[in-house]
Amino acid sequence: GEDVEQSLFLSVREGDSSVINCTYTDSSSTYLYWYKQEPGAGLQLLTYIFSNMDMKQDQRLTVLLNKKDKHLSLRIADTQTGDSAIYFCAEPGTGTYKYIFGTGTRLKVLA
Amino acid sequence: GAVVSQHPSWVICKSGTSVKIECRSLDFQATTMFWYRQFPKQSLMLMATSNEGSKATYEQGVEKDKFLINHASLTLSTLTVTSAHPEDSSFYICSARAGQPNYGYTFGSGTRLTVV
Repeated sequence: GEDVEQSLFLSVREGDSSVINCTYTDSSSTYLYWYKQEPGAGLQLLTYIFSNMDMKQDQRLTVLLNKKDKHLSLRIADTQTGDSAIYFCAEPGTGTYKYIFGTGTRLKVLA
Repeated sequence: GAVVSQHPSWVICKSGTSVKIECRSLDFQATTMFWYRQFPKQSLMLMATSNEGSKATYEQGVEKDKFLINHASLTLSTLTVTSAHPEDSSFYICSARAGQPNYGYTFGSGTRLTVV
């Protein structure tokens, strides 16, 4: 079945780069997404990547997609304390509008 | 940009009572909305797909008589937790899609339900 996996925790120092990894199983996904969830809040779309792209950069965010390995990563440059949150990768379920969410990675930024 | 408003943001209710949560698309029409449940430190679990003008589609294991969904207009979906029990305490989030698939889904800010 469809499954999206992430590491659960990541801790970095302020100013360093953060890399959050995700593996997925559905190779037919057209788009893959990264969402951010701050404590007690809903999810905010950070960025997305089309499946025919290898990389997408958006200011401090860089998304890398390795379709062969079904691996997606989110790199946050110059990580700030405000980046502390849970980050979810997501892919559309096969043939539906549903999302399959990863388990979420809790990023903690140390001052 | 697309905004989904969810209300209330938190609610405390007594066991046995019912609670209604509203999800509104403020600047776009949404024929389909989604309701998720999130337990502490866990990912989102899709509960049901809300379809405007028709019955909701529930995920396996979700009791449709327990979680009533009404999507009476293109901008409003409601989730009613009936005869709430402490185990229904959770964070409930709705979402809707505005525009093209690559825009992703817009999420409400969530509702923290505590049943005492």
